[in-house]
Amino acid sequence: GIQVEQSPPDLILQEGANSTLRCNFSDSVNNLQWFHQNPWGQLINLFYIPSGTKQNGRLSATTVATERYSLLYISSSQTTDSGVYFCAVGGGGSQGNLIFGKGTKLSVKP
Amino acid sequence: GAVVSQHPSRVICKSGTSVKIECRSLDFQATTMFWYRQFPKQSLMLMATSNEGSKATYEQGVEKDKFLINHASLTLSTLTVTSAHPEDSSFYICSARVGVGGGYTFGSGTRLTVV
Repeated sequence: GIQVEQSPPDLILQEGANSTLRCNFSDSVNNLQWFHQNPWGQLINLFYIPSGTKQNGRLSATTVATERYSLLYISSSQTTDSGVYFCAVGGGGSQGNLIFGKGTKLSVKP
Repeated sequence: GAVVSQHPSRVICKSGTSVKIECRSLDFQATTMFWYRQFPKQSLMLMATSNEGSKATYEQGVEKDKFLINHASLTLSTLTVTSAHPEDSSFYICSARVGVGGGYTFGSGTRLTVV
């Protein structure tokens, strides 16, 4: 099956700093999403981005499908950005499930 | 946007009892729903794929007789943890794809504690 690797596993930032989270995947995918899991466990969908670049406020993401990686950029980080960020990919079929990476745990210090 | 409603959000039960978790797609029809389990400080692992009107497909290592899945309508899938044991304590979360070729949306999760 498809392997999803995220880096770094842990990241500590000072408020206001920028960061880049990376997601590598081992095979072609037709779906890629970035999620933020809040302290209550809720998965917040950040981007649906199987290819290309998207931006939403302080967050942006880029997926280079031909090179099998995606990047999530967080600018001017805030303490509320803390949590775990997951990359998940879907490889096959119109109803195939998502495969999750192990996540990046982000801690933003005031 | 598409919403999946999951209940209960938190449940504590005694060993040996059964617990039912419900997931409803509120404003779209979901012929397929996915059930994931997440242990503390770990990633989400797919348990089973729930198909409306047919049997669920379970991932390797997931006991189908212990984790009963019913998908009786296009908007409701249920997961029943039967004869729960403390090792079943985990965070369970459901998901559905919003249309063909679209992204996935997730329920808010159920934190199960078996005592």
